[in-house]
Amino acid sequence: AQSVTQPDIHITVSEGASLELRCNYSYGATPYLFWYVQSPGQGLQLLLKYFSGDTLVQGIKGFEAEFKRSQSSFNLRKPSVHWSDAAEYFCAVGEAGGSEKLVFGKGTKLTVNP
Amino acid sequence: GAGVSQTPSNKVTEKGKYVELRCDPISGHTALYWYRQSLGQGPEFLIYFQGTGAADDSGLPNDRFFAVRPEGSVSTLKIQRTERGDSAVYLCASSLGGHLYEAFFGQGTRLTVV
Repeated sequence: AQSVTQPDIHITVSEGASLELRCNYSYGATPYLFWYVQSPGQGLQLLLKYFSGDTLVQGIKGFEAEFKRSQSSFNLRKPSVHWSDAAEYFCAVGEAGGSEKLVFGKGTKLTVNP
Repeated sequence: GAGVSQTPSNKVTEKGKYVELRCDPISGHTALYWYRQSLGQGPEFLIYFQGTGAADDSGLPNDRFFAVRPEGSVSTLKIQRTERGDSAVYLCASSLGGHLYEAFFGQGTRLTVV
């Protein structure tokens, strides 16, 4: 069965600092990988997704993620964090050519200090 | 409206009662998903519709849960004989067709069973 692990429950960074949120997945075949952001009172918003091809994917709001098959990872990065990036971030995995369901991690809550 | 609309935004019900949660997807979106998010967890898949039919209902936890989408647009999630463990935020998402397309999430219905 598919599973997603986000090892960090809560991360605090200073505004302007770089950010990396970790995501590891367990899946036997070719995964589809996603990062979503959930701000208070807002619905989940897609930041970026990986289906195939270039393993470094660019998303909205200056985020990027790198797919590393050998490490079963899909870490999210941003070079310089803004206060408005404070939110909860979810990594998710889907099944290529199979079920349309996504399996989500438990999320990482990001706090940004001024 | 422009986004996915879920009503009500909050629902408090007594244990054993029946509840209905409504989702209005983005116009023209043929795919519709229901997820459930418990406190401190990531969203958990419940059911996926493609048009009027439930293409994957493997996430429904038991036969107290049922969802319909009779005309291929609005969907209703129905929960019979509610239990306290059903308390969660129920999320709806829609897309043009499967997760090859971006899924847009509503803000959710917070269900509290007392």
